[in-house]
Order: sequence, then C-alpha cells, then structure tokens
Amino acid sequence: DGGITQSPKYLFRKEGQNVTLSCEQNLNHDAMYWYRQDPGQGLRLIYYSQIVNDFQKGDIAEGYSVSREKKESFPLTVTSAQKNPTAFYLCASSTTSSGANVLTFGAGSRLTVL
Amino acid sequence: QKEVEQNSGPLSVPEGAIASLNCTYSDRGSQSFFWYRQYSGKSPELIMSIYSNGDKEDGRFTAQLNKASQYVSLLIRDSQPSDSATYLCAVVNAGNMLTFGGGTRLMVKP
Repeated sequence: DGGITQSPKYLFRKEGQNVTLSCEQNLNHDAMYWYRQDPGQGLRLIYYSQIVNDFQKGDIAEGYSVSREKKESFPLTVTSAQKNPTAFYLCASSTTSSGANVLTFGAGSRLTVL
Repeated sequence: QKEVEQNSGPLSVPEGAIASLNCTYSDRGSQSFFWYRQYSGKSPELIMSIYSNGDKEDGRFTAQLNKASQYVSLLIRDSQPSDSATYLCAVVNAGNMLTFGGGTRLMVKP
C-alpha cells in the first residue's frame, strides 16, 4: 500500500542534541512538507520541497534543517538552535498537479526534550 | 490577525444533534478550502473540500462557503461519539500553500 512512513514515532532528546526525523513516501509525489503541531494548536509549516535537491523555508524554519536528495525521502533535523522543540511533527506529501491542496500525512513523530 | 481562525472549543453536542463548526479567513483571494479531522495523537485526514460559494454535501457532512464574508463552515448531521475529534480548517493562500486554523475540538456525548 502506498503511503508515508515517519520514524521514529516517539523520540526523546536531551537539550543541546540534534535529532533527525525520517520521512519516506512511496506515492510518487513530487512535493513534501514538514509541519509542527503544538498541543491544542493547528499545523505550522517548517519546510517544504517541490522537487529533488530544492526546498524552501516555511513559517517557522529557524532551528530546523532539511534535505531532499531523493524523491522519496525528506528528513528533518531538529538542531540545538531550536529553543522549544517539544512538539508533534507531521510529514506530508502532495502531487504538484494538486499543489498543496490535497495532502497525505504520515502518522507523525512526537519529540520530547528532556 | 491570524490568517485562518477557528474557535478552539470544546464544542459539546449530544449524540444525534447537528454540530456546526466555523472558520474565517483573511486572504480574500483564497480559492480552495478544506476540512481535516484529527483524532487525538493521530495525523489529520481530509474529510471535505470546497471551492465554490454555497453548500457541498457528502454523507453526514456539509461544507458551506461564503467568499464575500470570508467564512467557511462544516455541519455534521446526526453526530456520533466517533465524530469526537479536532476539526482543522485549511485555506490555500496566495502562495498556493495551505494555512491551517488552530482547530475546533468537538465532543459528542452519548
């Protein structure tokens, strides 16, 4: 079955550590996105990529980095520069023909800073 | 002013009642509007999309759009306890990117 796989589902990090969240899709979608969700709040866009080897900052990119070396993969690194990284992170993808209109989401990764 | 605004709730309705969820947006040029349902700890799932003024019905769900008032709503008829979730309104902005509202938590009581 086609879909988006995020790993790990739960992650604990000590302050000052970088962590990388994995996102893999087998939907043959061109565009991929990373969102952050805090308790009781909506989704905020961190980074997005519409084509391999290219990506753009979203609304809250500071303290995060991404790469898009393969169409299927869009990993997110939460760096030590991110002051409040505890959140639920969602990866999504879409076809470029639909724009950002119809997103398919992964199951999410919950990051907790100890 | 937030680009997409929703009442955070919780909105509590009895089983079998109509739940009415509302959303306003600030970008007058927005053309595409979506409702996502998110169960606690899970990822959002698309339940409705609407592009034209008026109503769009899909089963127990009806999306309503009024571009002049910059208002979109979701009605859930015959609400069930399984409808208890957070409902996220999303609007495609001028940059062709989705902007999400903060979500409304719906509680359907048996």
